This record gives sequence, C-alpha cells and structure tokens, in this order.
Amino acid sequence: DAGVIQSPRHEVTEMGQEVTLRCKPISGHNSLFWYRQTMMRGLELLIYFNNNVPIDDSGMPEDRFSAKMPNASFSTLKIQPSEPRDSAVYFCASRGGAGDYNEQFFGPGTRLTVL
Amino acid sequence: GQNIDQPTEMTATEGAIVQINCTYQTSGFNGLFWYQQHAGEAPTFLSYNVLDGLEEKGRFSSFLSRSKGYSYLLLKELQMKDSASYLCAARGGADGLTFGKGTHLIIQP
Repeated sequence: DAGVIQSPRHEVTEMGQEVTLRCKPISGHNSLFWYRQTMMRGLELLIYFNNNVPIDDSGMPEDRFSAKMPNASFSTLKIQPSEPRDSAVYFCASRGGAGDYNEQFFGPGTRLTVL
Repeated sequence: GQNIDQPTEMTATEGAIVQINCTYQTSGFNGLFWYQQHAGEAPTFLSYNVLDGLEEKGRFSSFLSRSKGYSYLLLKELQMKDSASYLCAARGGADGLTFGKGTHLIIQP
C-alpha cells in the first residue's frame, strides 16, 4: 500500500493567492482528517470526514478555509485568500474500519509558505 | 474544551529508560494515543490506551489513569534513533484527536 498521499509536498505562494492542498487516503479507509502543525500551536485538527461527509469542522480557522471530499479517494483543503499566518505544515490522515479503528495514518504533509 | 500538557524537552542516555508524562483534560474521553514524529516527517502511531493500566509493545509501554487524567510513555533500552518528538493525544466524544505540543526527546551517547 502506498500510504496516504499528499500533494504538493511544498508550496510557496504570495499573500492573497488561492492555495489548494490535495490528499488521497489509504484505499478502504472511511475516515479522513486534516491537521495543521506549527511550532507555536503544535498539531491541530482542522476538519474530519466520515464516509465522505464532513463531521466536525470546528477547527477550521475561518471562512478562508474550506475542505471537500467528493469521493472516497480524494480530498482537498483550500485557502482563499492565503495569509502569511497560514504558513504551516498541513497533514492529512486516514483511518480504516474494523481492526484499524483506532490508528490514524498520516501522510507526509504539505509545507506551505505564504510570503 | 480540551487541554493536553506534556514537557517540552527531555534528555536521556543511550541504553537507559525514559518516561514521558502527559496530563489531559477533555470533554468526554474515548482513548489516549502516543505518536512519534521525527524532524521533518509525519507522526507515526505508537500506542493506544482506553482502559486503565499498562500496555506493553516491545521497548515501548504506555500507561493510563483515567481518574487522574494522566498517561505516560515509557521507552526502554534507548537507541539513538529514538531521538524524536513524542506527541500525546486524547480523543474526546468525537473522532478527532487533540494533540499536545509534543516532547522533544534528545538521546545522548
């Protein structure tokens, strides 16, 4: 299994631009999580989906952030417009069903720099 | 709300034992997790506790006391490759995890 796949791995953009981060979960997993990690705030949950349905988006910082999961094998996290304080590493994680219920598998992350 | 506290940094010697403590406060509780994260890499799962007691897995063990809101991760026979950040995370009533800021463990020869 290829594990959780994220793209791009690195993104450098200018303030005000739209940024789209992509995630492909592990095949067969039915839960998907988006996290953001910074030195100041650590690893924070932004939003998660069960069976492609958003369950809890209370961690999304503000309306500039949006996430979608159009099917079981793809999710996006969009920031529009981006700001320098959005600079962070964004991780996607997925979790399977019976037998794998408790463990979340993290992707390699996208390092975002907003200038 | 959720609050996870763990030490920022610890230093230990190769071959020794180290215990990393974590205290948590959550609205609802459905499990305590430990993850390892090497610099520049993704977190990887180490352990899960939902009942009181000790869970042992090779050189790593994790303990939970629900009444005290307390957990620890015990690493034995430390190796240089164990130098990493160790993240404590609690799951409340929902499925998402609340992470502490991590304990940076430095292993010295």
